Amino acid sequence: SQELEQSPQSLIVQEGKNLTINCTSSKTLYGLYWYKQKYGEGLIFLMMLQKGGEEKSHEKITAKLDEKKQQSSLHITASQPSHAGIYLCGADMRGGSQGNLIFGKGTKLSVKP
Amino acid sequence: DAGVTQSPTHLIKTRGQQVTLRCSPISGHKSVSWYQQVLGQGPQFIFQYYEKEERGRGNFPDRFSARQFPNYSSELNVNALLLGDSALYLCASSLAPGYGTYEQYFGPGTRLTVT
Repeated sequence: SQELEQSPQSLIVQEGKNLTINCTSSKTLYGLYWYKQKYGEGLIFLMMLQKGGEEKSHEKITAKLDEKKQQSSLHITASQPSHAGIYLCGADMRGGSQGNLIFGKGTKLSVKP
Repeated sequence: DAGVTQSPTHLIKTRGQQVTLRCSPISGHKSVSWYQQVLGQGPQFIFQYYEKEERGRGNFPDRFSARQFPNYSSELNVNALLLGDSALYLCASSLAPGYGTYEQYFGPGTRLTVT
């Protein structure tokens, strides 16, 4: 089973609408990262969350990590065509300097003008 | 400031050949990690290097190897290529290991096609 589940798998929204992408694990997330990827290209760093209850925002994107550090959400307000792409969450699930990032399968976002 | 750079951008190889991929981290970053991403999946961890030493290895066969140089750049080598090695290979850099502590920045990737 996938250690890090993302939902939904894909999303089509009308420009101007809000949307939320979720990232869930049954294990503690020691560090949670959100990235955006255009098809076939590298990952663009969006935000990193470390503490339970932490919330960060950049422009119209807000990411939260729940108190138990097992679930994160990414919220986009007033979506624009430039927000289209694949959103990936990655997490350190072991902690310490020996950890590596485990990624979800991604959420494909399309924004209709 | 330049971000993480990778070369080449694209590569086509034949089964059984060997390939070397290169990565230059962000200036000041000492940790480099390699990931493999196949179509429709999230990236999978291959290696992490810090101060020229291997700090982590994912579940990949011994055909995959890597090294880090004194200037913190890194190479990923894959021997005896298989069709299943076709993927986007991503390099990430950070100040130091500790994924829950440091921001990880990824390069544009090298698209490897094995025919």
